[in-house]
Amino acid sequence: GNSVTQMEGPVTLSEEAFLTINCTYTATGYPSLFWYVQYPGEGLQLLLKATKADDKGSNKGFEATYRKETTSFHLEKGSVQVSDSAVYFCARSNTGNQFYFGTGTSLTVIP
Amino acid sequence: GAVVSQHPSWVICKSGTSVKIECRSLDFQATTMFWYRQFPKQSLMLMATSNEGSKATYEQGVEKDKFLINHASLTLSTLTVTSAHPEDSSFYICSATKNNEQFFGPGTRLTVL
Repeated sequence: GNSVTQMEGPVTLSEEAFLTINCTYTATGYPSLFWYVQYPGEGLQLLLKATKADDKGSNKGFEATYRKETTSFHLEKGSVQVSDSAVYFCARSNTGNQFYFGTGTSLTVIP
Repeated sequence: GAVVSQHPSWVICKSGTSVKIECRSLDFQATTMFWYRQFPKQSLMLMATSNEGSKATYEQGVEKDKFLINHASLTLSTLTVTSAHPEDSSFYICSATKNNEQFFGPGTRLTVL
């Protein structure tokens, strides 16, 4: 089937802490994988993506590596900022560009 | 990038009425658009794939007679929630594909009283 399992939140971190949000997927074939971010009161924004195994997506200090052997796409950032507070969604797409999302992880970064 | 807009951004309606939500690709043409709904503090759930000039494809469990989708042009898809009930209250989001990248609209908050 098509599913994305994401680490449940909420997550609260102090500024400059290390962030990991786990994401695993099930899929037939080779899906593209994404992380989207939703800031308070705003729509979804693409944070990063990877389209094939071993690809690393990166943006704004966030990184995620497409691991086919573990079917994972964990999101990491070495030093979070208050402005990173948002809800993060892991997603996969199929060849028809339909997206399937994880449940979302709310991140709050405190000064 | 690309811009996808939705109208209205929020709507309140009485139970039993129908509500139409528009999704537009502002600076590109989209033969396919997608409709999602998001419940509070939950993830987005794909409802249907909207195909220009043909019938929409609905995900399992989504009532096609309840959620009417019309994709009449390459820049516009509409979702009509018919005979809305309080349990239809949700955040509805559309998306469109450009150059293999998905662009999401800002969403429409529907509240059914």
